[in-house]
Parts: sequence; C-alpha cells; structure tokens
Amino acid sequence: GAVVSQHPSWVICKSGTSVKIECRSLDFQATTMFWYRQFPKQSLMLMATSNEGSKATYEQGVEKDKFLINHASLTLSTLTVTSAHPEDSSFYICSARDLRAEAFFGQGTRLTVV
Amino acid sequence: DAKTTQPPSMDCAEGRAANLPCNHSTISGNEYVYWYRQIHSQGPQYIIHGLKNNETNEMASLIITEDRKSSTLILPHATLRDTAVYYCIVRVGGGNAGNMLTFGGGTRLMVKP
Repeated sequence: GAVVSQHPSWVICKSGTSVKIECRSLDFQATTMFWYRQFPKQSLMLMATSNEGSKATYEQGVEKDKFLINHASLTLSTLTVTSAHPEDSSFYICSARDLRAEAFFGQGTRLTVV
Repeated sequence: DAKTTQPPSMDCAEGRAANLPCNHSTISGNEYVYWYRQIHSQGPQYIIHGLKNNETNEMASLIITEDRKSSTLILPHATLRDTAVYYCIVRVGGGNAGNMLTFGGGTRLMVKP
C-alpha cells in the first residue's frame, strides 16, 4: 500500500510555544489529507480536512487559529499547534487519500506540552 | 456514513482464529465495509474492505452477510502481534465520495499465549 510519513514521531514542548507536524505522502500525490487527534483510550477524532492549494475545513469545536493547517503541495501537509497548552497533549495522526480514494495513515505524532 | 457497532473487547488464543464481528444494520447500497487496526501508539493500518462479496487478502478474510447488515473479520491464525484495536467502518467508497473515515470505539483484541 501507499506510504504516509509523519514527522516527528514524538515531541515535547513548553507551554506557550508552537509545534509543527509534517505529513508527507511518499509515493503518491494526495489532493486531500486529514488530521485526527486521539486522546488516551479514546478513538480517533477528525480535526480537519486539508485540501491542496486551499483552506482547510475544520470540524466543529476545532479552533482554526490554534491548529494551523497548510497543504502547499500534493505531497505535504503541515499542522501547527500554536501557543500549545498541556491540554493539547495528544496523539496527532494524519491520513492521505490516493487516487483510488483509499486512506493511508501516518505513524502518528505524540505531543506532550509541559 | 452508517454507524457500526462492535464489541469493546475480545480475547483470542495465539494460533487460533480471531473472529471480530461488526453490525451495520443501516448500511446503504453504495457503502463499503472497511476494517482498520491500530496497534498501540501507531497510526491505523488498513486491513481489508468489501462491498457485498467475501474478500480475502494476506492479512485477513472479510465475511459480509447476504443482507449486508453485519460482517466478520477473520484473522485465521492470530499472533501476539495482532493485539490491537480493530475498527469496522462503513462509508461510501471510490472517487471523491467518502472522504474521511469516521472511527467508532472499535474492538480491543487481546491475543494471549
């Protein structure tokens, strides 16, 4: 199957700082990427849909000014958590669709805000 | 997308078949059944999907009932590395339809020696 690479796999940052997470489709072009968040012992919750060359679509309750999404190319989407707080600590996962519309997931990024 | 119902947890002995059920009684005619699994602290991994016929690949088999209201994922010879949360997802497949995947609670499969 197609490969989606997410970086970094884990990050620790201080409260108030910003963190950028990258999601790359390595062997296919992805016009659409998705960002999910997963808290401990819970299921994945969709945060936003990232469309190449246009603004992201955010799910209800997700602050677009806090979770900045950029999808500047067909192989890269980034999620920036701005002014991070401890409650933003979570497992962030990206997903990309290939031309067959099948979804492939990155390995996830564990963010810890201290 | 149709909602799915799965048991929250199951145990399976190593080397035995693991049969994971999923109910999707409100499935529509153009919706596929997808299975993903998530091993602890990793992203979800695609397993298999189907529309109405039974499907088999190197990882698993998918059995869909004739009325399509339920399905079963079968891992023929479970190993300890199959311990994970298994998600059954129903969505419209293909093209631009069925963009994102909506995850329910899944089934936490514990394979025991």
